[in-house]
Amino acid sequence: IAGITQAPTSQILAAGRRMTLRCTQDMRHNAMYWYRQDLGLGLRLIHYSNTAGTTGKGEVPDGYSVSRANTDDFPLTLASAVPSQTSVYFCASAGDRDTGELFFGEGSRLTVL
Amino acid sequence: GQNIDQPTEMTATEGAIVQINCTYQTSGFNGLFWYQQHAGEAPTFLSYNVLDGLEEKGRFSSFLSRSKGYSYLLLKELQMKDSASYLCVPMDSNYQLIWGAGTKLIIKP
Repeated sequence: IAGITQAPTSQILAAGRRMTLRCTQDMRHNAMYWYRQDLGLGLRLIHYSNTAGTTGKGEVPDGYSVSRANTDDFPLTLASAVPSQTSVYFCASAGDRDTGELFFGEGSRLTVL
Repeated sequence: GQNIDQPTEMTATEGAIVQINCTYQTSGFNGLFWYQQHAGEAPTFLSYNVLDGLEEKGRFSSFLSRSKGYSYLLLKELQMKDSASYLCVPMDSNYQLIWGAGTKLIIKP
């Protein structure tokens, strides 16, 4: 089934631990995004990639890093998790950066204790 | 600054019509998108307007007035499954999507 897959769906981890959220799409989309969503707030962009091999910082990049080694994969890494990173994380993709029709993964619910 | 103004919550009756209004301010403009997000799920794309006027797609229609910085989403023949949050998302001149908290729509029988 074509689409965008995130893993894990849910994770609890201790503060200070390293964590990588995985995101894979099979639609051959150029643009990919990582957002976080906190209760009562809109989506906030963490990092983005307009095409394989390039990445950029979004609105709230601190404490997160990404890589885009190929078209399909866009992992998000928390080098040393802190409780304020407790959130729901959504990965999304779009045909190109100027396309606002985003396709979202199901989300990864992360709790940092 | 860039901002979006939508009602926090609305209630409507099954079978009725509801209009969700949105006003926005952005640095430049490259279109406006409406997304639906059910509780606990990811947003899904509903509609896109880049020119003034009405775009109709089944039970859903979206309207845009660029000069007024105004859009609305019209939902007809409401069904219980339409209970969700509706997100008005303008795109600025840098092709960045501006996300607000959206409008939570509650449908009652």
